[in-house]
This record gives sequence, C-alpha cells and structure tokens, in this order.
Amino acid sequence: AAGVIQSPRHLIKEKRETATLKCYPIPRHDTVYWYQQGPGQDPQFLISFYEKMQSDKGSIPDRFSAQQFSDYHSELNMSSLELGDSALYFCASTTRPWADRTDTQYFGPGTRLTVL
Amino acid sequence: GENVEQHPSTLSVQEGDSAVIKCTYSDSASNYFPWYKQELGKGPQLIIDIRSNVGEKKDQRIAVTLNKTAKHFSLHITETQPEDSAVYFCAAGAGGYQKVTFGTGTKLQVIP
Repeated sequence: AAGVIQSPRHLIKEKRETATLKCYPIPRHDTVYWYQQGPGQDPQFLISFYEKMQSDKGSIPDRFSAQQFSDYHSELNMSSLELGDSALYFCASTTRPWADRTDTQYFGPGTRLTVL
Repeated sequence: GENVEQHPSTLSVQEGDSAVIKCTYSDSASNYFPWYKQELGKGPQLIIDIRSNVGEKKDQRIAVTLNKTAKHFSLHITETQPEDSAVYFCAAGAGGYQKVTFGTGTKLQVIP
C-alpha cells in the first residue's frame, strides 16, 4: 500500500540558512499534519492543513511557514535556521471521511534536519 | 490544551512475558487514542487505536483498554518478542481532523 512520502530524508544546513521539506500524503488523503521530534523527545505538533487551508496551529516558530497545494502535497519552509531546529520532521496524513470513516494519522518516514 | 502522561519511560521484559504501558490524559473532549511504535530512525507506526465508545480492543498480541471516567488508557503486549523492542507512544485527540498530542514515550526492550 502507498505510504506517506517525505523528501529529502536527510538535510544538512548552516545556521541562518533556509530549508524546504516536502510531504506527499497517501492518495485520497486530504489532511496533512507536520510534527517535530527532537532527540529523545515525543513528536510535537506544528501545523495542519485540510483541503489546502490551515486547520490548526501548534508550536510552530514564526520563522517557519507551510502550505498545502492543489495536489494535497505540503511543504514546510524554514528560514533563519537555528541549531535548535535540528530534529526529525514528520508529516502525517488522514483519509477523506466520506471514503473511510476514520481519522487515523499515518506517518511518513521523516526528514532528519541537521543545522550546523 | 491536552496533556498526556506516559509511564514507564523504560521497560525491560523477558521474551514471552507481557508488557504494560499506561497513559493518562487531561482533556475530557479527547475521544481518540492511538498507539504508535517507533523504531530507530523511522516514523511512528500505528499499531492500534481505540475510541471513546469502546472500553477494550484487541488485535492478536496487542490490546488496549480505555477508562474514560478516570481518563487513562493502557497498552498490553502479550508473548513479547525481540522484534517488539522499540519506543511506544500513546496519544490522545478529539478525533475528526484534530491533531493528536503524544505521550513522552516508553522504550521497551525485550530480552531474548
């Protein structure tokens, strides 16, 4: 079965640089979530989109922005990177309610961002 | 907002024994409780979930119980195997398209 695809899988950046992370949800999924997971930490919710509109916002820094496109893929843009932004970034997606009445979130493999 | 506590943070069991992980949540509006297994360098993988209209759910060696009155839910793994070794996260959410809040994780080690 198709899963959530994230790219790139690994990314190394310098401080103050910018980074763009991409997420391709499972086909027919219309909702995307972004989570940040620091070393030894639990995933922390950043932001979510439903039908290309922001649906919820968590602890996302102002330096970060995200959007969902017409094909439902999403991009997380990170500017003025700081050492503390080094983490695993996960994307998750959810099924359309009228196709499968479940709201289970399926996670991608993550992007490991290292800021030097 | 929702706050999810998870215990224990580490758990070592002998192969074949059972493992129990417990979580409590704070928001009475939460009605969706998934459990995720995360292996090193990988994304969280859903292993089982339960909703507030169900008290218990079982899938082979894995079972989850929910006590909505006490706001706690538990994961039970029976006949543990070395491949069960991973970090397990509980989570809670309001369902629908709402985000989930994760617990702090339990590192399970199954000793052969």
